[in-house]
Amino acid sequence: DAGITQSPRYKITETGRQVTLMCHQTWSHSYMFWYRQDLGHGLRLIYYSAAADITDKGEVPDGYVVSRSKTENFPLTLESATRSQTSVYFCASIEGTGTEAFFGQGTRLTVV
Amino acid sequence: TQLLEQSPQFLSIQEGENLTVYCNSSSVFSSLQWYRQEPGEGPVLLVTVVTGGEVKKLKRLTFQFGDARKDSSLHITAAQPGDTGLYLCAGANSGNTGKLIFGQGTTLQVKP
Repeated sequence: DAGITQSPRYKITETGRQVTLMCHQTWSHSYMFWYRQDLGHGLRLIYYSAAADITDKGEVPDGYVVSRSKTENFPLTLESATRSQTSVYFCASIEGTGTEAFFGQGTRLTVV
Repeated sequence: TQLLEQSPQFLSIQEGENLTVYCNSSSVFSSLQWYRQEPGEGPVLLVTVVTGGEVKKLKRLTFQFGDARKDSSLHITAAQPGDTGLYLCAGANSGNTGKLIFGQGTTLQVKP
């Protein structure tokens, strides 16, 4: 099915563990984004990518790592999870600047 | 750093009332978008405004882009309970990097 999918939908992990959130899109959109959503903060940009092998930091990149070896995949890794990274994470893609952003259904991550 | 300030953050009104949500920035954006998000889902695009001073209507929703392309507003006429949700404005970076940043969001509750 065409679209953008995130996995897992829910994840509980312990402080200090490494965890990777997956994002896959089927449109071959150039741009992809990772956001975190916390109450009162809307969507805050963690990292974004303009194309394969091109990534850049957003507003809140500390503690996160991304890669984009293939256009369709944009995984987000928390190298050593902290409780402050408990959040809902959304992946999104766009075809070009200013075009509609399509979002995955989100990953609810809890760090205990 | 480009920031988008949305106001109000929370709004609770009775069915039939009118309301306006504001999205302000000190930066110029090449375009500005409004999204609506339901609980447990990713945001979905309502409208994109591109030209300074542009006004777009979507049934009872009216969107306006400021003349200087730094601010926008969303006006809802005769709100319905079905309008309840989180409304987010998002600005596309004028530098053509594809970067898309969001405001903090406005949570709207419309009571029957």
